[in-house]
Amino acid sequence: EPEVTQTPSHQVTQMGQEVILRCVPISNHLYFYWYRQILGQKVEFLVSFYNNEISEKSEIFDDQFSVERPDGSNFTLKIRSTKLEDSAMYFCASSERTDQETQYFGPGTRLLVL
Amino acid sequence: GQNIDQPTEMTATEGAIVQINCTYQTSGFNGLFWYQQHAGEAPTFLSYNVLDGLEEKGRFSSFLSRSKGYSYLLLKELQMKDSASYLCAVMTNDYKLSFGAGTTVTVRA
Repeated sequence: EPEVTQTPSHQVTQMGQEVILRCVPISNHLYFYWYRQILGQKVEFLVSFYNNEISEKSEIFDDQFSVERPDGSNFTLKIRSTKLEDSAMYFCASSERTDQETQYFGPGTRLLVL
Repeated sequence: GQNIDQPTEMTATEGAIVQINCTYQTSGFNGLFWYQQHAGEAPTFLSYNVLDGLEEKGRFSSFLSRSKGYSYLLLKELQMKDSASYLCAVMTNDYKLSFGAGTTVTVRA
């Protein structure tokens, strides 16, 4: 069964450093998403992406965040200058279409900023 | 903002039935999803409702009333592996998923 994959599974970084989280969405899916979940809190939407551009973004997704689809399979989230409060689990998701389509989640990357 | 409420915790016995309620007030509605999340893992899709009524899928059923802004997830014949957090999520007009805080279900022998 096709699934969303993410690398790395864990990332530890120093405050102020840049990190890139990688995702490979399900191959025939066209819409991609990033969510985050701070430990013990709810899953929060960050950004959606379609046709090589951002469709929607939340207030969390400020200028230090960016997304990119560098090739036909990868979808990346970059955090330019990490802060302590960026420590969270980051989930990538994909869906075939946005219109009432199920979003399937990857296993997540646990980011710890020290 | 979006408001999605569900109980924090529920406990039930193996073999029993548990119903997890979810109420929502959101900017638009394009469907309600239930996800299961084991600790430290990704949310896994369980069910989707966009029309009023009951959707049944094996041991899991989900119900929706759009006029009441209400859904429930029914877990039957509970098994120990069903111990997890169950997330209610609403897809709003901008096709974002807004999640509730999750209901932690503990199944006891």
